[in-house]
Formats: sequence, C-alpha cells, structure tokens
Amino acid sequence: GAVVSQHPSWVICKSGTSVKIECRSLDFQATTMFWYRQFPKQSLMLMATSNEGSKATYEQGVEKDKFLINHASLTLSTLTVTSAHPEDSSFYICSAPGLGDSGELFFGEGSRLTVL
Amino acid sequence: GQNIDQPTEMTATEGAIVQINCTYQTSGFNGLFWYQQHAGEAPTFLSYNVLDGLEEKGRFSSFLSRSKGYSYLLLKELQMKDSASYLCAVKDSNYQLIWGAGTKLIIKP
Repeated sequence: GAVVSQHPSWVICKSGTSVKIECRSLDFQATTMFWYRQFPKQSLMLMATSNEGSKATYEQGVEKDKFLINHASLTLSTLTVTSAHPEDSSFYICSAPGLGDSGELFFGEGSRLTVL
Repeated sequence: GQNIDQPTEMTATEGAIVQINCTYQTSGFNGLFWYQQHAGEAPTFLSYNVLDGLEEKGRFSSFLSRSKGYSYLLLKELQMKDSASYLCAVKDSNYQLIWGAGTKLIIKP
C-alpha cells in the first residue's frame, strides 16, 4: 500500500519561532496532499490542499501567511507554521490520496506541535 | 449545510459485537469511508462503500444505504486493541471529504 511519511513526529518551540513540517509520499507520486489539524478530542479539520507546482488552496479561516505550504515536488509537501503561538499547539497531519478508485487517503504519522 | 453525525462515545465488552452508526447529509455523494484512529496517532483506512450493501473485511464490516444517508461499521470479536476512535467520512459531489467528529470506542475486559 501507499506510504506517507511525516517529520518531525513532535516538536516543541518557543513562541514567535517558525516550525517546518515535512510530508513525503514514499512509494508513489502525489500531485495533491492535504494538511489537517486536530485539537484534542476533536475531529480532523482540513487546513489546506497542497498542489504540486501551484499555490495551495486554503480553507476558510486558515491564514495563508501564517501556514505556508510548499509542494515543490511530486513526493514532498511542507507546512511551515510561522511566528507560532501557544494557540497553534496541535496535532498536524498530512495525507495523500491513493491511486485506487476510492481515492482513500493515506496519512502521515502526524506531527505534534507544542508552542511554549 | 453538510453534516455527518455519529455517536460521541460507545462502550463494549471484549469478545462482543458493536455497531457504530453514521448518518450524513451532504451535497452529493461519491463514497463513504471509515477510518480508525488510536489516541495520538494518525487515522488508518478501514473501509470504503460507494454502493448500497455490506462490505466485509475480516472482523470489520461496513454497510451503506444511500437512500437513507446511513452507514454503519460493525466490529466483531472485539479485542482490547480495537479501543480507538472511528471516523466516518463522506466524499461529496466536489470529491471533498467531509469528516464526522468520530466515535470513541471503549473496550472493557
């Protein structure tokens, strides 16, 4: 099956700093990747759709200048949380659709961000 | 608006059977997914239904009725490791995934 790898698994940073999270499709090419955020005991919230070679599509209410997304190749998408604040602390998960008819999503391991 | 409803929490006994329901109201339908998510981990794919009926995969089965906007996930021979959240998601007419809030399943010995 398709494998999506995400790094780092967890990160702690100081308020005001920037954090980059990488999402890689290891054994398939992904022209589209999805970035989700999940707060404790809540469901997945789609933040943005990352498109290889073009600008990401952000969901309503998500600040594109704060959450920078770059999809530079068919196997790598990055999310940079700029000037992080404690309220940005969350579980960030990337995913990519598989190649089957269902288009099921394959998720990365997730990255837990804690902003002090 | 688009809406997916599933129970917040369910409790079941090891070795028993549990059914987790999901009802949806979406703009169009292009398939329904069930995912399992253990605490602190990313979701993993369980099943996909696009036509009415039952899809069986080992201990897990998923049912869909498009006319009723209804699906359920059936877990048999429950094991302690099945304790997790189960997420229902529907792909709408724009092929966007609409996620339910998830059902936390607690398995007791």
